[in-house]
Amino acid sequence: AQTVTQSQPEMSVQEAETVTLSCTYDTSENNYYLFWYKQPPSRQMILVIRQEAYKQQNATENRFSVNFQKAAKSFSLKISDSQLGDTAMYFCAFERARDSNYQLIWGAGTKLIIKP
Amino acid sequence: DTGVSQDPRHKITKRGQNVTFRCDPISEHNRLYWYRQTLGQGPEFLTYFQNEAQLEKSRLLSDRFSAERPKGSFSTLEIQRTEQGDSAMYLCASSLATGGRDEQFFGPGTRLTVL
Repeated sequence: AQTVTQSQPEMSVQEAETVTLSCTYDTSENNYYLFWYKQPPSRQMILVIRQEAYKQQNATENRFSVNFQKAAKSFSLKISDSQLGDTAMYFCAFERARDSNYQLIWGAGTKLIIKP
Repeated sequence: DTGVSQDPRHKITKRGQNVTFRCDPISEHNRLYWYRQTLGQGPEFLTYFQNEAQLEKSRLLSDRFSAERPKGSFSTLEIQRTEQGDSAMYLCASSLATGGRDEQFFGPGTRLTVL
């Protein structure tokens, strides 16, 4: 069974610093997607970034980038020049495919606090 | 289009009562997902529709849970004989399947409290 592990329950950094959130996963599949989602306090889940497993190049979205290590089954999120609005729960998720159905398997989340 | 909407946002009920939640996906999205999220945890998959067909159900979805998407648009999730363990945030997401993996857009959730 696929699992997703986020080993950092909570992190806090000063505004403008860089922070890295870790995520590891376990799967026997070769093709899959990985995602980082952000859930601000009392607001809905939004997609931050995604990575296709067959792509070697790490995904980047503005201040957000990932370090995807397929052999190590590691998928960390780096947030550069952190902003107060980055304060949120961050979830790592794995998308598995079975037949034509797709399900997201989620980690427990990391609470990120950006301090002014 | 204003995104995925869910109603109600909060529901407090007594143990043993039935509750029904509604999800309105983004128009033209053909996939609709239900998740449950307990405090301090990531979401857990419950069930998934493609158009009006319910294609997958998690083992978490006991006989007391039923979901429908009768016309392939909005969906309802009903919980019968609620238990305190059902207290959680129920999230709905929708996506547009285009033959490959798709991005899921989430609603704000319905927070259920069972007393």
